Amino acid sequence: KQEVTQIPAALSVPEGENLVLNCSFTDSAIYNLQWFRQDPGKGLTSLLLIQSSQREQTSGRLNASLDKSSGRSTLYIAASQPGDSATYLCAVPNSGNTPLVFGKGTRLSVIA
Amino acid sequence: DTEVTQTPKHLVMGMTNKKSLKCEQHMGHRAMYWYKQKAKKPPELMFVYSYEKLSINESVPSRFSPECPNSSLLNLHLHALQPEDSALYLCASSPLQGAGNQPQHFGDGTRLSIL
Repeated sequence: KQEVTQIPAALSVPEGENLVLNCSFTDSAIYNLQWFRQDPGKGLTSLLLIQSSQREQTSGRLNASLDKSSGRSTLYIAASQPGDSATYLCAVPNSGNTPLVFGKGTRLSVIA
Repeated sequence: DTEVTQTPKHLVMGMTNKKSLKCEQHMGHRAMYWYKQKAKKPPELMFVYSYEKLSINESVPSRFSPECPNSSLLNLHLHALQPEDSALYLCASSPLQGAGNQPQHFGDGTRLSIL
């Protein structure tokens, strides 16, 4: 059964810092990996989706990498801003189908 | 603005009430999902519909009854819920179930409180 782990569980950084969030998964036979953002009491916003054949995806200040063979992904946030404060979740399809298995998330606080 | 719309945003109900959560998408997606999320926990899959047919039920208690009346709508009927069912209920959709290169789109959820 797929298990997804995110480290760290919480992170607090001053504004302007570059930071890295980590995600690992136990079953490397995935179709894709998706990073989400969740603000308190809100739904999930999809940030980036990396297909299994890709190594990385970029969107603005966000860059996500995927090392499928080692079961790892990182989300890099450049020049962090207070508006980036949220919980970041990574998720992978279980056994190649789209039902997602989520990590517990990293709660990020960017302090002005 | 989210492309998946959930109503109501908040719902408070007693344990003997019957209520329904609604989810709507107009992206032409043929797979729709219900997730349950407790505070400070990740979302957990409840149900998956593919082409309006229930394809996955993650051993959800029968007091939760899903319904997919058409390709754009997904309902979750609630009856005789327990206080531990209080959570954020999230709806999501994707073009197809099993389409690994397509992201899931989530609604903002319904915050459910059981008295």
